[in-house]
Amino acid sequence: DGGITQSPKYLFRKEGQNVTLSCEQNLNHDAMYWYRQDPGQGLRLIYYSQIVNDFQKGDIAEGYSVSREKKESFPLTVTSAQKNPTAFYLCASTPRAAGAEAFFGQGTRLTVV
Amino acid sequence: AQSVTQPDIHITVSEGASLELRCNYSYGATPYLFWYVQSPGQGLQLLLKYFSGDTLVQGIKGFEAEFKRSQSSFNLRKPSVHWSDAAEYFCAVGDSFGGNEKLTFGTGTRLTIIP
Repeated sequence: DGGITQSPKYLFRKEGQNVTLSCEQNLNHDAMYWYRQDPGQGLRLIYYSQIVNDFQKGDIAEGYSVSREKKESFPLTVTSAQKNPTAFYLCASTPRAAGAEAFFGQGTRLTVV
Repeated sequence: AQSVTQPDIHITVSEGASLELRCNYSYGATPYLFWYVQSPGQGLQLLLKYFSGDTLVQGIKGFEAEFKRSQSSFNLRKPSVHWSDAAEYFCAVGDSFGGNEKLTFGTGTRLTIIP
């Protein structure tokens, strides 16, 4: 079955460490996105990419980095510069079509300990 | 820049009662509008979307939404809720870029169902 796979489901990080969240899709979608979800704040866009080797900052990119070396993969690195990284992270993808539905992964819950 | 407002943070409804979740948007052109549902600790699932044509759109699980341009609203409705409808609901507006859609979400409405 086609879909988006995020791993791991739960992740614990010590302060000062970088950590990478994985996102893989087999839907052959062009665009991929990373969102951060905090209680009461909805989903906020971190980074997005519409083509391999190209990506743009979203609304809250500070302290995060991404890469898009393959169409299927869009990993997110949470760096030590991110001051409040504890959150639920969601990856999504869309096909190239106006008004297309976004497909979401099951999310990764990151906790700083 | 586009924005979405969901004024109700939390709504409690009795099972079998009707439901309306409010959504207001700000967008310069004719918007693409979406409603997604999220169960705890899960990803989001599309309920329905509007991008042109009939202003009353039907979705999955018996949900519908009405686009009202004059009120910049896209409220979600269901005639009779079921306990399984308890979840968080997000309204979103799409912003096209290079043929793709970048979504801006509201803050969500958490729905609780009581017996």
